Amino acid sequence: GAVVSQHPSWVICKSGTSVKIECRSLDFQATTMFWYRQFPKQSLMLMATSNEGSKATYEQGVEKDKFLINHASLTLSTLTVTSAHPEDSSFYICSAETTLRRSKNIQYFGAGTRLSVL
Amino acid sequence: DAKTTQPPSMDCAEGRAANLPCNHSTISGNEYVYWYRQIHSQGPQYIIHGLKNNETNEMASLIITEDRKSSTLILPHATLRDTAVYYCIVRVSLYNQGGKLIFGQGTELSVKP
Repeated sequence: GAVVSQHPSWVICKSGTSVKIECRSLDFQATTMFWYRQFPKQSLMLMATSNEGSKATYEQGVEKDKFLINHASLTLSTLTVTSAHPEDSSFYICSAETTLRRSKNIQYFGAGTRLSVL
Repeated sequence: DAKTTQPPSMDCAEGRAANLPCNHSTISGNEYVYWYRQIHSQGPQYIIHGLKNNETNEMASLIITEDRKSSTLILPHATLRDTAVYYCIVRVSLYNQGGKLIFGQGTELSVKP
């Protein structure tokens, strides 16, 4: 299947600082990327849908000014957690939807980023 | 959005077939059924998807009932590495580009020696 790379895999930061997470589709172009958050022993929760060259669409209850999403190219989307606080500590996962004909409409996921805010 | 219902947990003996059920009684005619799994502390892994016909790939088989209200994911020879949370998802479409995947609680499959 297609490969999605997420970086960093693990980050610790101080409260009040900002953290940027990168999501790259390595062997395909992704018009649409998605960002999820997962708390311990819970399921994945969709945060936002990111389309290349346009503003992200956020799910209800997700603060767009706190979770800044940029999808500047067909292979890269970034999520910036601004002014992070301990309650933002979570597992953040991205996915990218391939436009490859043989795998059309399949979302492939990154390995996730574990964020710990002290 | 069509919702899915899965048993919270299942056990399976190593080497035996694992049959994971999913109910999606409100599925619409143009919605696909997707299956993903998540091994602890990793991102979800795509397994298989289908519309109304049964599907098979190198990982699993997907059996969809004729009325499309339920489906079963079959792992033909389960191994210890198949221990994971399995998610059955009905996809919400965003125009022609597929769409959002809304994850439920899934089924925690434990494969035992």
